[in-house]
Amino acid sequence: NAGVMQNPRHLVRRRGQEARLRCSPMKGHSHVYWYRQLPEEGLKFMVYLQKENIIDESGMPKERFSAEFPKEGPSILRIQQVVRGDSAAYFCASSPPGSANEQYFGPGTRLTVT
Amino acid sequence: AQSVTQPDIHITVSEGASLELRCNYSYGATPYLFWYVQSPGQGLQLLLKYFSGDTLVQGIKGFEAEFKRSQSSFNLRKPSVHWSDAAEYFCAVVGGSGTYKYIFGTGTRLKVLA
Repeated sequence: NAGVMQNPRHLVRRRGQEARLRCSPMKGHSHVYWYRQLPEEGLKFMVYLQKENIIDESGMPKERFSAEFPKEGPSILRIQQVVRGDSAAYFCASSPPGSANEQYFGPGTRLTVT
Repeated sequence: AQSVTQPDIHITVSEGASLELRCNYSYGATPYLFWYVQSPGQGLQLLLKYFSGDTLVQGIKGFEAEFKRSQSSFNLRKPSVHWSDAAEYFCAVVGGSGTYKYIFGTGTRLKVLA
């Protein structure tokens, strides 16, 4: 059973470009969570999604950030018009139905904004 | 507010010495507790978790942790450190059934001297 997969593992974007980060949950998992790790900090919750639904986006910045988890395909975290402060590691986690507090983390995508 | 404190930002130990990493949490009820390890540029690997039951939890790589409700602590221990244990260690908490926002500490960076 493959774990949570994220791609790309590393992403470099110039200021003003768009970043798209992908997350494929573990097989059988229908809940996806995104966390951000700024340099020298712990991970912080961003958003919780189920298929075609955003359950909780209280940790998402109000502008430029969006997330989706379509019926088919991976979950996408999209950052428009990136700025240097968006440079961070973005981790995705997934959980099976009914076990939202037992999350499995992916390897992360390291975004660098130049 | 719910929080996790890892008071030691950096710890240096000699190979073969014992290790204890501290974690204190602030939470309304008994949360689920986790320790993760992150090697440079890598994702999070789960070392161990506590949900209920025996307060001394055994994990992978020879690590163990003890939940002490009276001290709101969940300290990680290893009797003899190996050079390959050098990494960053994160303590995390989440509430019980129905909750999903993991709260992470800021991490403790472990250096191992040969």
